[in-house]
Amino acid sequence: GQQVMQIPQYQHVQEGEDFTTYCNSSTTLSNIQWYKQRPGGHPVFLIQLVKSGEVKKQKRLTFQFGEAKKNSSLHITATQTTDVGTYFCAGQTGANNLFFGTGTRLTVIP
Amino acid sequence: DGGITQSPKYLFRKEGQNVTLSCEQNLNHDAMYWYRQDPGQGLRLIYYSQIVNDFQKGDIAEGYSVSREKKESFPLTVTSAQKNPTAFYLCASSMAGQGYEQYFGPGTRLTVT
Repeated sequence: GQQVMQIPQYQHVQEGEDFTTYCNSSTTLSNIQWYKQRPGGHPVFLIQLVKSGEVKKQKRLTFQFGEAKKNSSLHITATQTTDVGTYFCAGQTGANNLFFGTGTRLTVIP
Repeated sequence: DGGITQSPKYLFRKEGQNVTLSCEQNLNHDAMYWYRQDPGQGLRLIYYSQIVNDFQKGDIAEGYSVSREKKESFPLTVTSAQKNPTAFYLCASSMAGQGYEQYFGPGTRLTVT
């Protein structure tokens, strides 16, 4: 079955340091979405990538979709305490449902 | 306000009892989903529905049941057959088809003792 692996599972950074989480799929994806879940909250959609090699930016967040459309990354520059939470990638193949990665829990130390 | 609501936020039940979790949306979305979240395991799909009066099993449907009698509502019943029901349950909705973002409700934390 489809699998989406995400690493690392946990990451602790000092405020101001950069952070990256990686997502790898066992199959070629039609698109990949990223969500953020604050502690005690629910996942909130951040962005969707569709094209091979696509790069999108949202302020300090940079999202990339691999050339083979099997991997993706989220990079946060100069983390802030508001970045705390769990970041999930979710891949989709064709008309199938989203398959969520296991998530990366980010802790930012002030 | 448009959105997706779940109730209650916390639910406690004794082992052997069925329990129904509520999910309502006023986003006019055709598709609705139920996920289970356990620590370190991400979100796992229980059931989904792309249209009223139709639903399909997800990856971990055993011990759960759903209904979709109205577009706005997609209740989930956790039956006594579910071996490990204590978890955080999330409902989501989206437009039907490929490439649409999912909107999540606030979740229900179910504890069964």
